[in-house]
Amino acid sequence: AQSVTQPDIHITVSEGASLELRCNYSYGATPYLFWYVQSPGQGLQLLLKYFSGDTLVQGIKGFEAEFKRSQSSFNLRKPSVHWSDAAEYFCAVAAGGGFKTIFGAGTRLFVKA
Amino acid sequence: NAGVTQTPKFRILKIGQSMTLQCAQDMNHNYMYWYRQDPGMGLKLIYYSVGAGITDKGEVPNGYNVSRSTTEDFPLRLELAAPSQTSVYFCASSYSLVNEKLFFGSGTQLSVL
Repeated sequence: AQSVTQPDIHITVSEGASLELRCNYSYGATPYLFWYVQSPGQGLQLLLKYFSGDTLVQGIKGFEAEFKRSQSSFNLRKPSVHWSDAAEYFCAVAAGGGFKTIFGAGTRLFVKA
Repeated sequence: NAGVTQTPKFRILKIGQSMTLQCAQDMNHNYMYWYRQDPGMGLKLIYYSVGAGITDKGEVPNGYNVSRSTTEDFPLRLELAAPSQTSVYFCASSYSLVNEKLFFGSGTQLSVL
């Protein structure tokens, strides 16, 4: 069965510092991979997605993610974090032919001045 | 653009009461979903629909019912509320089943006391 693991429940980063949020998935083939962001009191918004092709994917708000098949990972990165990036981030996987998008438990990002 | 609209935003229920969470989308999406979000657990799929008149169970359907009489609306019904249903509920829609992003509503915070 497919699954998604986000090892870090929360991360604190200084404003201007770089960010990497980890995501590992379990699936037999190459899945569809997503990162969503949830601001307080809001629904989830898609940051980026990977289906195939270039393993480095660019998203909105300056985020990027890299798919590494050998490590079953899809880590999210940003070179310089802004205070407005404080939110909860969800990695998700969707298997081809299925209807379910499976979400990780989320990583809450705190940004300190 | 309204996108996905959920009502109410907050609700407190007593054990055994019933209620309907409303969800409407104006993007002409065939696919609609109900998720619940519990702290540290990510999002779990309750029910989904692939079009008017067609619904099916997700991972955690017990205690809930849905209907889909129109493309736009996908209400979620709780018949006998239980404390275990205290959660944040998100409605989402998508153009296709798997390889498109989900559009989320802003959520309904439900407490059952």
